[in-house]
Amino acid sequence: RKEVEQDPGPFNVPEGATVAFNCTYSNSASQSFFWYRQDCRKEPKLLMSVYSSGNEDGRFTAQLNRASQYISLLIRDSKLSDSATYLCVVNRGTGGRRALTFGSGTRLQVQP
Amino acid sequence: DTGVSQNPRHKITKRGQNVTFRCDPISEHNRLYWYRQTLGQGPEFLTYFQNEAQLEKSRLLSDRFSAERPKGSFSTLEIQRTEQGDSAMYLCASSPTGGRTSRDTQYFGPGTRLTVL
Repeated sequence: RKEVEQDPGPFNVPEGATVAFNCTYSNSASQSFFWYRQDCRKEPKLLMSVYSSGNEDGRFTAQLNRASQYISLLIRDSKLSDSATYLCVVNRGTGGRRALTFGSGTRLQVQP
Repeated sequence: DTGVSQNPRHKITKRGQNVTFRCDPISEHNRLYWYRQTLGQGPEFLTYFQNEAQLEKSRLLSDRFSAERPKGSFSTLEIQRTEQGDSAMYLCASSPTGGRTSRDTQYFGPGTRLTVL
């Protein structure tokens, strides 16, 4: 079983739609959580960190449920420019460990 | 451009050859990471440096792989006796010191795409 699991998609949605991505992680010692965005053949870029209380950045809302080891990302009013792969990322951050563990990514295609 | 830079951007080599990649982190970032990404997968951690000390290595880093960061600035990743299975995107990232927090944002370079024929 992978440490971080995501639905690979693709999610094909029309412009203006709301779309939600889910992610589960297996290591309960995970300390910090992120969503990264990766465009085709480009490097991953941080979209947002995910906090226990949930957090919002414009059209993007992230939620964390530590009890269920579940992370979500909601995108409202989808734009064509949101088309990308969204990577769920966790960091165990214990004992000096700094490595990020990535899910395989969920591909989003926003259509006109 | 003050982001993470990597060279070369593309490398094509024949099986059995040695290759070396370079990463220049963001200035003053003392943490540097190497990841490998294959098609359809997320990046997988290879190794991590804090300044010049290599503090963590993944089991993916076989004895054919070696990474260095001799002066705590740029880093090199060498692959000896390349195999076709080494074909991947090799990504470098850096982050600043953030005390004990693990929330340090990692900033990725554009990657080096390796093709082993």
